[in-house]
Amino acid sequence: EPEVTQTPSHQVTQMGQEVILRCVPISNHLYFYWYRQILGQKVEFLVSFYNNEISEKSEIFDDQFSVERPDGSNFTLKIRSTKLEDSAMYFCASRDGGMDTQYFGPGTRLTVL
Amino acid sequence: GNSVTQMEGPVTLSEEAFLTINCTYTATGYPSLFWYVQYPGEGLQLLLKATKADDKGSNKGFEATYRKETTSFHLEKGSVQVSDSAVYFCALSSGSSNTGKLIFGQGTTLQVKP
Repeated sequence: EPEVTQTPSHQVTQMGQEVILRCVPISNHLYFYWYRQILGQKVEFLVSFYNNEISEKSEIFDDQFSVERPDGSNFTLKIRSTKLEDSAMYFCASRDGGMDTQYFGPGTRLTVL
Repeated sequence: GNSVTQMEGPVTLSEEAFLTINCTYTATGYPSLFWYVQYPGEGLQLLLKATKADDKGSNKGFEATYRKETTSFHLEKGSVQVSDSAVYFCALSSGSSNTGKLIFGQGTTLQVKP
């Protein structure tokens, strides 16, 4: 069964450093998403991506964040200058055009020191 | 704005007990409703969904009915197993958002003891 994959599973970085989180969505899907979950809190929407552009973003997704689909298979989330409060689990998700069900990856745990 | 509220956890049950996890929502338009489950160390998996009022979603013995009059989507299972121990998330996808983003509740941890 096709699945969404994410790498790395855990990323540790120093405050102020750039990080790139990688996702490979399900191959025939058209809509891509990033969510995050700070420890003990709810899962929050960050951004949605369709037709090679951002279709919606939340207030959390400020100028420090960017997304890219560089090669037709990967979908990346970049944080330019990490802050302590960026420490969280980041989930990638995708869905096809006809269904509203999103399929999630296993997540990347980001720890900012 | 749109929101989802779940009952506080953790919920601790003995094996074969009846489970209810409450979920209520606030939304404009006609949202689709979902339950996702997160097993320890894993990502979010879709458990069941319902797309319109009075629909019942079901999977693996779990059920939830879309109640528009009470704006609820409570998760139930007649007889839980130890393997059902996980975190359960209620979510909605608003019809007013053409991106289909999901809005989640805070999650409810279920612990089932043998």
